[in-house]
Amino acid sequence: DAKTTQPPSMDCAEGRAANLPCNHSTISGNEYVYWYRQIHSQGPQYIIHGLKNNETNEMASLIITEDRKSSTLILPHATLRDTAVYYCIAQEGTYKYIFGTGTRLKVLA
Amino acid sequence: NAGVTQTPKFRVLKTGQSMTLLCAQDMNHEYMYWYRQDPGMGLRLIHYSVGEGTTAKGEVPDGYNVSRLKKQNFLLGLESAAPSQTSVYFCASRDRGRTEAFFGQGTRLTVV
Repeated sequence: DAKTTQPPSMDCAEGRAANLPCNHSTISGNEYVYWYRQIHSQGPQYIIHGLKNNETNEMASLIITEDRKSSTLILPHATLRDTAVYYCIAQEGTYKYIFGTGTRLKVLA
Repeated sequence: NAGVTQTPKFRVLKTGQSMTLLCAQDMNHEYMYWYRQDPGMGLRLIHYSVGEGTTAKGEVPDGYNVSRLKKQNFLLGLESAAPSQTSVYFCASRDRGRTEAFFGQGTRLTVV
């Protein structure tokens, strides 16, 4: 499973787009990129995933570079409720989920 | 539909005591996981199961045992608790062929 690297923390103004980067330079062709977030001390919540195409759902957009070595999670209009730790995971198959240390996003009023 | 339920939510143990954490899911998921999360850190995988009767080691399995006798339940056991096992424990489940994992609300365990 590829190792992922994320900045430890980021700030974003409320109402602006939050762009959270993730580096996965050792990702293999079969590994998907997943994003989860953890609010306070709750259990992580799934956000979005992708393989090589950009993806969008009601929560966020996922942009994966053409070489698949990095990706960006975009929260288009961040709210205070989006303050959380965001985890990027590169995962092959359907078994293990290995979490990194994540990015602590703080949305500022 | 309760999703993933962990029991208990809080527990204080003395060093050397044993206990079992229960994870129950009502979504008929094949895969189940146990993680621990220490303060300021990400989740680390302890053990996981890809089906009833099967278990496998994750990143930090030492000091823990697991069992999956029924598809809906995944038990995490501490035979002789140590202060280093003070942590928040999360259980998760996923369905075969699906990618979204569902997490429980966690068990906060303190070993004194």
